Amino acid sequence: DIQMTQSPSSLSASIGDRVTITCRASQSSSTYLNWYQHIPGKAPKLLIHAASSLESGVPSRFSGSGSGTEFTLTISNLQPEDFATYYCQQSYSTPLTFGGGTKVEIK
Amino acid sequence: QVQLVESGGGLVKPGGALRLSCAASGFTFSDYYMNWIRQAPGKGLEWVSCISSSGNLIYYADSVKGRFTISRDNAKNSLYLQMNSLRAEDTAVYYCARPPAGYSKHFQLWGQGTLVTVSS
Repeated sequence: DIQMTQSPSSLSASIGDRVTITCRASQSSSTYLNWYQHIPGKAPKLLIHAASSLESGVPSRFSGSGSGTEFTLTISNLQPEDFATYYCQQSYSTPLTFGGGTKVEIK
Repeated sequence: QVQLVESGGGLVKPGGALRLSCAASGFTFSDYYMNWIRQAPGKGLEWVSCISSSGNLIYYADSVKGRFTISRDNAKNSLYLQMNSLRAEDTAVYYCARPPAGYSKHFQLWGQGTLVTVSS
């Protein structure tokens, strides 16, 4: 099984900040890496698939990069609606696995 | 309207059983693999199971293998999860989720979730 490790597990940031979240895979997942935003009480939302492809309708301040075992999600110019928990997920092999999540809080 | 609506959650005793349903609408259900994903209280997302568009390919997380059974009825546009021998650690919100394209393994469309509580 591919284990996904996210860091940090939480962070505090201010409106307008640039935030970077890292996701590491225990073995290569090529670019089969996806990012989700989850706000409590709502369904998770797919932000980025294939490591760097932005989903339609997702603001361009979100970006993803990486391949193999190390990936990053960057949010530039953090907005109030971006305070949420973010998860990475590998889709390279079953069992499909998620990272533990990164909670982005308001400083 | 393209949507997934889960139902069937509730309170069940350890060792008990429950059947979750997911009603799909607004898209050709039979074209897509479908998944169940859960989130335990205070925990992250955990993929549970996947079923192919025709139902002939099925995958499970080790944590539920042998206890849970995924199935679908394409004529009814519905996905199911039969959960047996339930444990306290199965307590979670259960989401059904669909990929953007037939057999992709990421999740573009999610339901709102249904809460399963396993407690005596």
